[in-house]
Amino acid sequence: GAGVSQTPSNKVTEKGKYVELRCDPISGHTALYWYRQSLGQGPEFLIYFQGTGAADDSGLPNDRFFAVRPEGSVSTLKIQRTERGDSAVYLCASSPGLTGEQFFGPGTRLTVL
Amino acid sequence: AQTVTQSQPEMSVQEAETVTLSCTYDTSENNYYLFWYKQPPSRQMILVIRQEAYKQQNATENRFSVNFQKAAKSFSLKISDSQLGDTAMYFCAFETGTASKLTFGTGTRLQVTL
Repeated sequence: GAGVSQTPSNKVTEKGKYVELRCDPISGHTALYWYRQSLGQGPEFLIYFQGTGAADDSGLPNDRFFAVRPEGSVSTLKIQRTERGDSAVYLCASSPGLTGEQFFGPGTRLTVL
Repeated sequence: AQTVTQSQPEMSVQEAETVTLSCTYDTSENNYYLFWYKQPPSRQMILVIRQEAYKQQNATENRFSVNFQKAAKSFSLKISDSQLGDTAMYFCAFETGTASKLTFGTGTRLQVTL
């Protein structure tokens, strides 16, 4: 398919563990976004990349969260020392450029026990 | 900072009827974009309709249309001839002309019934 894909679809981990969430954007899209959606809420912005660089990481809640996009395509969201409050759906979106339509992936549901 | 408010947590409409979902926002920006996204149980966010703030004409997309009132900072979504497949969460979202990131409301759960 040509859409945004995210892996894994679901991730269950224990408190204190490290997790990585992967996002494959639509080919050719230069902008990539991460959002977090808690139960019953709208998505909240975490970080976005333009190419390989993080253009705005103001939404990352603390230094346990980190994201990379080393080759300007696939991105990985990394969460260290997970806490129960990190449980949420993590959504990735890509866009052909700034202010263009953002195309979302199906999300990764993270559950921290 | 921008805020988006959706005051209707849940709405219900009968098939073939019309329903309007409300959204208000707050910003000091003059150049921005407004969106309505649909999120069915599959979790996939799907763009329904988009409005550029500089355009006075309300956007329409088949059965979906908006009522954009810039002075009142209001952006409602009208769904005509509702279909069972319209059942989903609907999110209003805001994007400034320079910031790129989306700010979402808390959503309205729409149920279309027979």
